[in-house]
Amino acid sequence: GAGVSQSPSNKVTEKGKDVELRCDPISGHTALYWYRQSLGQGLEFLIYFQGNSAPDKSGLPSDRFSAERTGGSVSTLTIQRTQQEDSAVYLCASSLEGTAERTQYFGPGTRLLVL
Amino acid sequence: AQSVTQLDSQVPVFEEAPVELRCNYSSSVSVYLFWYVQYPNQGLQLLLKYLSGSTLVKSINGFEAEFNKSQTSFHLRKPSVHISDTAEYFCAVTHNTGFQKLVFGTGTRLLVSP
Repeated sequence: GAGVSQSPSNKVTEKGKDVELRCDPISGHTALYWYRQSLGQGLEFLIYFQGNSAPDKSGLPSDRFSAERTGGSVSTLTIQRTQQEDSAVYLCASSLEGTAERTQYFGPGTRLLVL
Repeated sequence: AQSVTQLDSQVPVFEEAPVELRCNYSSSVSVYLFWYVQYPNQGLQLLLKYLSGSTLVKSINGFEAEFNKSQTSFHLRKPSVHISDTAEYFCAVTHNTGFQKLVFGTGTRLLVSP
């Protein structure tokens, strides 16, 4: 079946601009995660959605970052007033919560470059 | 809070040689452990995982890892590597109840040469 998809695959933007990154999870997966992979910080958790519960935003680095998940499926990560330190690969993952499988399946990522 | 340590940032090895990639974790609660692999310009793929039961877990492509609770380790091994195993390997931990945020190590780059 189809895996996690993300768009765009690459995004180049100018400092100060807003960007939106999209994630389509695996159909039927109730949990969705955003991570960031950067040279200086490695792989960091950003935010987690599970069903209709309030998202866990504890990993978001600043209030310029926000995310939403519509209809329990597609998610959008928005970065406002981008800074050069936001340059990274943004990874989305989904999983089936409440099961014993406990595996997060990752998308290919969106590579963001802020000039 | 949990943390993962991968001491080796890069491991060079010749083809058909054995390899061990080290992973140690720290956690105050029981954990699940994972190894993910990232091939060049690709996303993360699950290689293997330990949830419960047998402490030795294996992947379909010849890797294995053993959960050692007393040493808080989950080292990854392969008896004979191939050129195609060249990739970055990430060890990750999550606690075994509730929310499952993955905490990753810094990764180990495995470089297999002929």
